[in-house]
Amino acid sequence: AQTVTQSQPEMSVQEAETVTLSCTYDTSESDYYLFWYKQPPSRQMILVIRQEAYKQQNATENRFSVNFQKAAKSFSLKISDSQLGDAAMYFCLSSTGFQKLVFGTGTRLLVSP
Amino acid sequence: DVKVTQSSRYLVKRTGEKVFLECVQDMDHENMFWYRQDPGLGLRLIYFSYDVKMKEKGDIPEGYSVSREKKERFSLILESASTNQTSMYLCASSLRSWAGQALNTEAFFGQGTRLTVV
Repeated sequence: AQTVTQSQPEMSVQEAETVTLSCTYDTSESDYYLFWYKQPPSRQMILVIRQEAYKQQNATENRFSVNFQKAAKSFSLKISDSQLGDAAMYFCLSSTGFQKLVFGTGTRLLVSP
Repeated sequence: DVKVTQSSRYLVKRTGEKVFLECVQDMDHENMFWYRQDPGLGLRLIYFSYDVKMKEKGDIPEGYSVSREKKERFSLILESASTNQTSMYLCASSLRSWAGQALNTEAFFGQGTRLTVV
């Protein structure tokens, strides 16, 4: 079975600081993709960043970047220059065969001024 | 703008009622999903459809059924609602990858329906 583990139920960061959210996954498949989604209080899920497993280069999207360690099956999200609008629940996802999306349990990010 | 619309944001139903949750997407996506979101458990897949009239069971299909008669609409049905089905329900849609492959495109989500069964 595919599993995604987010071991940090909650994280706090101050504005302008950097925070890293952890995610580990377990899959026996060679073809998979990894995603981070953000769910603000509005409940609307928003794609933050995506990583193709066959690519060694870490994905970046503006202030968001990932540290993808394939051998360790680790996929952490780094948020630089944190903003109040970054406060949300963050979910790590793996996409495996037959388009199955497996979610982690989420990390709530609190951002203080 | 991609839009996935769920018919209700909040719903209160009585135990034993038949409940319909509707989801409509306007992007001509092949895939549609129903998830249940509970604190500490993340999102769990209830059912998945990759085409009209096609459906696949997810991880927690018990007590639920689905209907996909048209490409844009995917309905989740609680045949006889129970209190343990009180939860947040999220619908999603995406383009389809090749059969057997991982989904490599973004999934778009509705805003969720918070269902309370009393």
